[in-house]
Amino acid sequence: EDKVVQSPLSLVVHEGDTVTLNCSYEVTNFRSLLWYKQEKKAPTFLFMLTSSGIEKKSGRLSSILDKKELFSILNITATQTGDSAVYLCAVNSGGSNYKLTFGKGTLLTVNP
Amino acid sequence: GAVVSQHPSRVICKSGTSVKIECRSLDFQATTMFWYRQFPKKSLMLMATSNEGSKATYEQGVEKDKFLINHASLTLSTLTVTSAHPEDSSFYICSARDLGVGTAGKLFFGSGTQLSVL
Repeated sequence: EDKVVQSPLSLVVHEGDTVTLNCSYEVTNFRSLLWYKQEKKAPTFLFMLTSSGIEKKSGRLSSILDKKELFSILNITATQTGDSAVYLCAVNSGGSNYKLTFGKGTLLTVNP
Repeated sequence: GAVVSQHPSRVICKSGTSVKIECRSLDFQATTMFWYRQFPKKSLMLMATSNEGSKATYEQGVEKDKFLINHASLTLSTLTVTSAHPEDSSFYICSARDLGVGTAGKLFFGSGTQLSVL
């Protein structure tokens, strides 16, 4: 059974701190790993990673994938209260079919 | 990015009634849409994969007669919760793949439907 494990499950920081969120996976037919941010409602797309060692960056957020060690990290620098959300990691492991397996998420709380 | 619209955002119904949730891809065609369910403080659980013009594929443990899925066009999939019971109360989210250049492989989500069955 495909498995995606995120850590920590929750994290509380102060504005300006840097955080690192972890995602490890055990899946067959790996195709890609995706990060989403979920606030009150639907998840919004952050990154999709398919190759090891290539950092993806968007503003204060960045992510990298290690396909040998089967994990990815999501970094957020200079955190702001608006970064408070659940961050979900998902792996597309469907082979020729598309299937996302989600981790349980990391609840990030950024205090002023 | 691609836009997926889901309606209604919230519904309260009596036990035994049926509820229909719509999911539309607004600026792209989606041959495949996905329906997820999310309990409080839990992750997204895939319920079924909706395929345009054919039967949906349900995940293990999901009752296909309970959760009816119809994907009659390339931009619309519906999920009907039949004879709803309080244990069906949950947050339901649809999603769709945009196979366009630059977005292929990414899943875009609707805003979700909070279902409360009394």
